[in-house]
This record gives sequence, C-alpha cells and structure tokens, in this order.
Amino acid sequence: GAVVSQHPSWVICKSGTSVKIECRSLDFQATTMFWYRQFPKQSLMLMATSNEGSKATYEQGVEKDKFLINHASLTLSTLTVTSAHPEDSSFYICSAKTGLEQYFGPGTRLTVT
Amino acid sequence: KQEVTQIPAALSVPEGENLVLNCSFTDSAIYNLQWFRQDPGKGLTSLLLIQSSQREQTSGRLNASLDKSSGRSTLYIAASQPGDSATYLCAVPTSGTYKYIFGTGTRLKVLA
Repeated sequence: GAVVSQHPSWVICKSGTSVKIECRSLDFQATTMFWYRQFPKQSLMLMATSNEGSKATYEQGVEKDKFLINHASLTLSTLTVTSAHPEDSSFYICSAKTGLEQYFGPGTRLTVT
Repeated sequence: KQEVTQIPAALSVPEGENLVLNCSFTDSAIYNLQWFRQDPGKGLTSLLLIQSSQREQTSGRLNASLDKSSGRSTLYIAASQPGDSATYLCAVPTSGTYKYIFGTGTRLKVLA
C-alpha cells in the first residue's frame, strides 16, 4: 500500500525558533497534500491544503505567515512553524492524496519550551 | 458544513465482547468514509475505507457499514481483545472536496 512518511517524528524546540516538518509520499506522487493538527485529547483539525507548484490554501483561523507550507515536488511537502510558541505544541499529521485515496503520515509531535 | 459525531465518547468492555462504534455525519454528499485507529501519542492507522457506492467493508474482526442516506456509519469489532484498546476515529470528506473532517473519536478500553 501507499506509504507516507513524516520527519521528524518528534521535535522539541525553544520558544521563538522555527521548526520544519517534512511529509513525503514514498511510493506515489501526490499533487495535493494536507496538514492537520491535533491538540491533546482532541480530534484532528485541517490546517491547510498543499498543492504542488502553487500556494497553499489555509483554513479559517490558521495563520499562513506562521505556518509556512511548501510543496516543492510531487513527493514532498514541508510545514515550517515560524517563531514557535508553547501554544503551538501539538501533534501535526499530513496526508497525501492520489486519485480518490488519501494516505496519512505517522505524525510529528512538536513541543515548544 | 459537514459535522461528524462519534458515540460513545468512551467505552470500556471486558475482553471477548462484540462492540459497535457509531459515527454520524450531517452532509451525506460524501464519496467515502474512513475509520482510523490511533494509539496514545501515535499517528493514525487506517482501518477501513468505504466508498460511497459500498454498504460495508470487512477486515478481519472489523466490519464497517455505511448508510449515506441516514448519515451514519458503524464500526463493528468482533471478539474484542486488549490490543484493540485505542481511540477510533471516523472521517469523511467535506462535500465536493478532499478535505477530511474527523469525528471526536471513541476511546476504547478492552479489559483483560
């Protein structure tokens, strides 16, 4: 089956720094990838849609200048959390779409101290 | 706007019981529905994907049904085991898009 990987699986960073999370489709090409966020004991919420070769589209309430998304190739999308703050600590999960199917990555746990 | 609700929010059962998890959604114009499992602190594991044209899907001890007209899906787990303990999430795409809306999940605990 199709595999989506994320790197890193977990990261701790200091407040004010930026951190980049990668999402890769390992055995298929994905023109569209999605980024979700999950706070403790809550469900996943869609943050943005990442389209290869074009700008990402963000859901209402998500700061695009804070969460920079780049979909540089058909197999890679990156999410950069800029000037991270403790309230950005969360579980970030990406998914990659191929045809009508969507495959989810294992997630990245971000802790901002 | 698509809304997804899961009942019950939490469930604790003794090992060996058959159980049913429920998922309801408000917009029936979906092209599929997925059930996922999430272990504490971990990512998602896709369990079953039901296309809109299907009524049910089975994988091992799991069976998921879909009734689009009533906006409901159920996940049936047969002969539950302690290893089934996890949070189960259902997700449906919003109408006309591929963006998934997730339910709040059912936290299942199977007691040995």
